Amino acid sequence: EPEVTQTPSHQVTQMGQEVILRCVPISNHLYFYWYRQILGQKVEFLVSFYNNEISEKSEIFDDQFSVERPDGSNFTLKIRSTKLEDSAMYFCASSDERGRNNEQFFGPGTRLTVL
Amino acid sequence: AQTVTQSQPEMSVQEAETVTLSCTYDTSESDYYLFWYKQPPSRQMILVIRQEAYKQQNATENRFSVNFQKAAKSFSLKISDSQLGDAAMYFCAYRSARLVVGANSKLTFGKGITLSVRP
Repeated sequence: EPEVTQTPSHQVTQMGQEVILRCVPISNHLYFYWYRQILGQKVEFLVSFYNNEISEKSEIFDDQFSVERPDGSNFTLKIRSTKLEDSAMYFCASSDERGRNNEQFFGPGTRLTVL
Repeated sequence: AQTVTQSQPEMSVQEAETVTLSCTYDTSESDYYLFWYKQPPSRQMILVIRQEAYKQQNATENRFSVNFQKAAKSFSLKISDSQLGDAAMYFCAYRSARLVVGANSKLTFGKGITLSVRP
């Protein structure tokens, strides 16, 4: 069964460094998302992406964040200058249709630790 | 803006028994979807069950069923014949069915509830 994959599973970085989190969505999907989950808290929406453009973003998704689909398969989230509060689990998701009954399929997540 | 509330942080159930997890939400929209996601210790988010707001019939998926009360904005998950593998964090989530050109609506999650299953 097709699945969303994410790399790395765990990323440790120093405060102020840039990180890139990678995701490979399901191949025929057109809509892509990033969510994050700070330890012990709820899952929060960051950004959605369609047709090589950001469709919607949350207040969390400030100028330090960017997303890109550099080729036909990868979908990346870049954090330019990481802060301690960026430590969280980051989930990528994808879906095929925007109509009824579509489902967002989640990847296994990347745990980001900022020291 | 839509909000999802899960007021119970933890619940426990005896293996083979039935447990109900509560969720309420707030929205001004009439057409939307509601979901329950399971997050085991591996942290993977797994869709358990989905309910379309326009459907009056409650969704059922094997041992999982929901009690959807649209007027009360309540969406509870019932797990029957609980198994040890059901132990996980469960999130209730909302998604608008409003179709926006070029965009697909985001999921809004509750805080989650940790379910433990006693052998």
